[in-house]
Amino acid sequence: AQSVTQLGSHVSVSEGALVLLRCNYSSSVPPYLFWYVQYPNQGLQLLLKYTTGATLVKGINGFEAEFKKSETSFHLTKPSAHMSDAAEYFCAVTFAGGGNKLTFGTGTQLKVEL
Amino acid sequence: KAGVTQTPRYLIKTRGQQVTLSCSPISGHRSVSWYQQTPGQGLQFLFEYFSETQRNKGNFPGRFSGRQFSNSRSEMNVSTLELGDSALYLCASSLTSGSPETQYFGPGTRLLVL
Repeated sequence: AQSVTQLGSHVSVSEGALVLLRCNYSSSVPPYLFWYVQYPNQGLQLLLKYTTGATLVKGINGFEAEFKKSETSFHLTKPSAHMSDAAEYFCAVTFAGGGNKLTFGTGTQLKVEL
Repeated sequence: KAGVTQTPRYLIKTRGQQVTLSCSPISGHRSVSWYQQTPGQGLQFLFEYFSETQRNKGNFPGRFSGRQFSNSRSEMNVSTLELGDSALYLCASSLTSGSPETQYFGPGTRLLVL
């Protein structure tokens, strides 16, 4: 079985500061990893995904994540937070042959303060 | 291209009733997945349909069912509603069913069971 753990249900940063949202996964087979963002009263939007190949993945809105197999981590970062980044972020995992069944983490609410 | 649309957006039902939610995928997408989002359980996979066949199923009771039509539109049905079924139901579409497809989410249907 696969699982994802997101450390920190709430993260607060100042505008312009580094954003770091943590995600650790557990999988007995090579994982495919995703980060999604959800704004209030909206669905989920894909930020980035890791499948195979380059372990540093760049996504939309200046976000990136690095797949570290040795640490079973896929942390999301952004060098400089903007007020518009305030939202809930979800890490998710699936695997080859898993179809489109995503297993999500519990989410991290990001607050950006002036 | 139009995004994933879900109808209705909001719904109020009473215990014991049944409900049907509809999802229209992005044009050309043949896979539709359904997720339930609640504050307590987070995002949980319900089922996935591809070419009118159920490909994957999550861990939900038989009261939850779905189907997909030849035009890829999908419906999910919940019978004998319980208070705990109050949730945001999200639909996601993708081109095919094979991982690691990018899934595009709709805005969701918010169901309140009284």
